Amino acid sequence: DTGVSQDPRHKITKRGQNVTFRCDPISEHNRLYWYRQTLGQGPEFLTYFQNEAQLEKSRLLSDRFSAERPKGSFSTLEIQRTEQGDSAMYLCASSPDLSNQPQHFGDGTRLSIL
Amino acid sequence: AQSVTQLDSQVPVFEEAPVELRCNYSSSVSVYLFWYVQYPNQGLQLLLKYLSGSTLVKGINGFEAEFNKSQTSFHLRKPSVHISDTAEYFCAVSENTNAGKSTFGDGTTLTVKP
Repeated sequence: DTGVSQDPRHKITKRGQNVTFRCDPISEHNRLYWYRQTLGQGPEFLTYFQNEAQLEKSRLLSDRFSAERPKGSFSTLEIQRTEQGDSAMYLCASSPDLSNQPQHFGDGTRLSIL
Repeated sequence: AQSVTQLDSQVPVFEEAPVELRCNYSSSVSVYLFWYVQYPNQGLQLLLKYLSGSTLVKGINGFEAEFNKSQTSFHLRKPSVHISDTAEYFCAVSENTNAGKSTFGDGTTLTVKP
């Protein structure tokens, strides 16, 4: 169990640029989740995958956001035309294919928009 | 829809004193309950979980929590805290459905003073 890894750990970019984050889940976990966390708040659900299928998307996930999980392994989260309000910590989590199992979190990618 | 309220945003306490971090939730269906801890610039780590059975659950680092269905609460306790327990603590609920996504509270900052 090597844990959930996220890359990069930090990303600084100018408003209007596109950014892409990567998440590598624990290898035997079928479920993968993306959350966004802003200062002073808990993580907010963005989207989740079961294997390669994206099964649910939050209303927080605007048209500028897209997530993929090709082949049911790693996942990418892309934000197009970034805005100041996109500044946050983006957390990835994975879990086995059971709803009663806790999620294992990565250390997150902190996005700062200049 | 489900929601989580953590009643205290900040809890200062002296080392070796007992502590209780309060969490209330609401949901129209059965839920699973979790407490996570987050250290600065890191992801969330599971402290403990309630799935079913005994309402008193024990977790890592000497923490325990009690599920109270009538009061819809899941308070976290530790009889004697250490400096190293200083961190952000999140309560989370996950509905007993296939999705398994979690809804988090806004967190409680526990500060242990010498």
